[in-house]
Amino acid sequence: GDSVTQMEGPVTLSEEAFLTINCTYTATGYPSLFWYVQYPGEGLQLLLKATKADDKGSNKGFEATYRKETTSFHLEKGSVQVSDSAVYFCALRHSGSRLTFGEGTQLTVNP
Amino acid sequence: DAGVIQSPRHEVTEMGQEVTLRCKPISGHDYLFWYRQTMMRGLELLIYFNNNVPIDDSGMPEDRFSAKMPNASFSTLKIQPSEPRDSAVYFCASSLGPVASTDTQYFGPGTRLTVL
Repeated sequence: GDSVTQMEGPVTLSEEAFLTINCTYTATGYPSLFWYVQYPGEGLQLLLKATKADDKGSNKGFEATYRKETTSFHLEKGSVQVSDSAVYFCALRHSGSRLTFGEGTQLTVNP
Repeated sequence: DAGVIQSPRHEVTEMGQEVTLRCKPISGHDYLFWYRQTMMRGLELLIYFNNNVPIDDSGMPEDRFSAKMPNASFSTLKIQPSEPRDSAVYFCASSLGPVASTDTQYFGPGTRLTVL
């Protein structure tokens, strides 16, 4: 079945550092891929998405590129801020409406 | 739009009591999802509806859990009787449709349930 694997957290960075959170997936065909972010005490918010191979999703300085050849959708940001501290979830939607989520990666950014 | 609305935001109850969680999806969204989030199991899909009809309830843990969607603007998740292991944050989400242009799910703020 479909699955999503994220790099284990927690991740702790200093402000302005470069961020990468790895995400790989297992699915047949061409699923839609998502990154969601969850701030403390809140629900998940869509950060970015990509729907086909080589698409790049971007939002708020975050980027992720849909790599079919490596079945990956790694999240990157060039310069993180304290306000980026949150839990980040990679997810895929294959057929139907069901989303499959990764385990989540806790990011803490220190000033 | 106000987004997905959930109530209550927090619920504390005693083991054996009935608990009802409520959700109002975004107007016009045809899909509604119920999730449970715990530290041990992460984010789990419990059930989802399309046009008020349950499509996939394979994630519902046991018969103590039931979900209904009597109309397009309201859904409930009921636990009867509740147990301490049901303590979790329960999220409701909605989306327009199942294809790439419409499949973004929008989440509510969640209900934090504590069963003593």
